[in-house]
Amino acid sequence: NAGVTQTPKFQVLKTGQSMTLQCAQDMNHEYMSWYRQDPGMGLRLIHYSVGAGITDQGEVPNGYNVSRSTTEDFPLRLLSAAPSQTSVYFCASRGGALENIQYFGAGTRLSVL
Amino acid sequence: SQQGEEDPQALSIQEGENATMNCSYKTSINNLQWYRQNSGRGLVHLILIRSNEREKHSGRLRVTLDTSKKSSSLLITASRAADTASYFCATGPNFGNEKLTFGTGTRLTIIP
Repeated sequence: NAGVTQTPKFQVLKTGQSMTLQCAQDMNHEYMSWYRQDPGMGLRLIHYSVGAGITDQGEVPNGYNVSRSTTEDFPLRLLSAAPSQTSVYFCASRGGALENIQYFGAGTRLSVL
Repeated sequence: SQQGEEDPQALSIQEGENATMNCSYKTSINNLQWYRQNSGRGLVHLILIRSNEREKHSGRLRVTLDTSKKSSSLLITASRAADTASYFCATGPNFGNEKLTFGTGTRLTIIP
């Protein structure tokens, strides 16, 4: 029972590089979200999706792109990495509009030099 | 901006004691949730309380909600070393807004 799987667990980038953080869930959940966690800031929503083909911006979307071509996958793309994007990134999913409990992946720790 | 703010930011207690942490929020809600995060791990759901509920229990956890004061508290009774973690309140989804908004968390340390 995998739940929400994030890859990679750790990543170091140089400023200006691009990369994709992968997220997959095997619970057939409609809703998926990406958060970043910074010290003293809690979790901040980057982008979210309420179903395949539907995405929307969260609180801090700048510098990130998402797409949702399948129910299972919700990748997060960093277009041109900046040191301000050094953070821990969490992907989460929940069943749907009437299901409030959110399930989280283990996180990706990203450093941008 | 953060919807929920936890208080205190950090709390250290002896094993066996009770731990209480508080959450304040800004706007009307349908429900409020509490999550736990162990160091280096993702968040795990603990308990959900709906806006028409005042108190809810789950094992050693007791959550209260005061919608008039826009606040909630999480009580962990008879604490154990394994309770050492960060605890976050989250509001949402509310009234058609699909987002969950998390507070900044309380770091709880249980001293054996």
